[in-house]
Amino acid sequence: EVQLVESGGGLVQPGGSLRLSCSTSGFTFSRYWMAWVRKAPGKGLEWVANIGREEGEKFYVDSVKGRFTISRDDAKNSLYLQMTSLRDDDTAVYYCARVDWGSSDFWGQGTLVTVSS
Amino acid sequence: DVVMTQSPLSLPVTLGQPASISCRSSQSLVYSDGNTYLNWFQQRPGHSPRRLIYQISKRDSGVPDRFSGSGWDTDFTLEISRVEAEDVGIYYCMQGSNWPYTFGQGTKLEIK
Repeated sequence: EVQLVESGGGLVQPGGSLRLSCSTSGFTFSRYWMAWVRKAPGKGLEWVANIGREEGEKFYVDSVKGRFTISRDDAKNSLYLQMTSLRDDDTAVYYCARVDWGSSDFWGQGTLVTVSS
Repeated sequence: DVVMTQSPLSLPVTLGQPASISCRSSQSLVYSDGNTYLNWFQQRPGHSPRRLIYQISKRDSGVPDRFSGSGWDTDFTLEISRVEAEDVGIYYCMQGSNWPYTFGQGTKLEIK
């Protein structure tokens, strides 16, 4: 059974940093592109970043470029999102997702990030 | 960025009746490999999003056959043949043909 479990969310002040983790199981992690997708309160879904196999390629939505870094550790079957210079509008539930042909077929349960003073 | 526009944004439906959601993209979603990466997701209250349909019309494993997708190029539709109580939630179209991947605003389906 494919499982994705996010952790690392919490309350952080504007300008602060946070590192999200996603632990996976039930599939060969190294063979898949992975992604982070977020949902802000009262808003729709936003695809934040993709990472290719062996960290070959990384893509970011413009709103997080230069502030967020996606990475992976294939030995630990884990995905990460390092977030810096956090802003109020980064407040959201962050989902880890397995990428499948321009989409995602499995999602985690999400971790809540709240940016507030 | 490709803008995905859904309609309606609110969809009250009687149990057992059909429902339809439209999604239009601001540019063609036909990718260079000939495929069209248009997907439909369902998000039930308190749950993570779940993909229902990928590449316009392919149903994911475990998705009831009352859900179907159709369309071409820039115009797409999700249809539910007979709405059940468990279908309540928000439905999103999403394109994966162009970076950044983008979602529609969401359509809230509720039971009348």
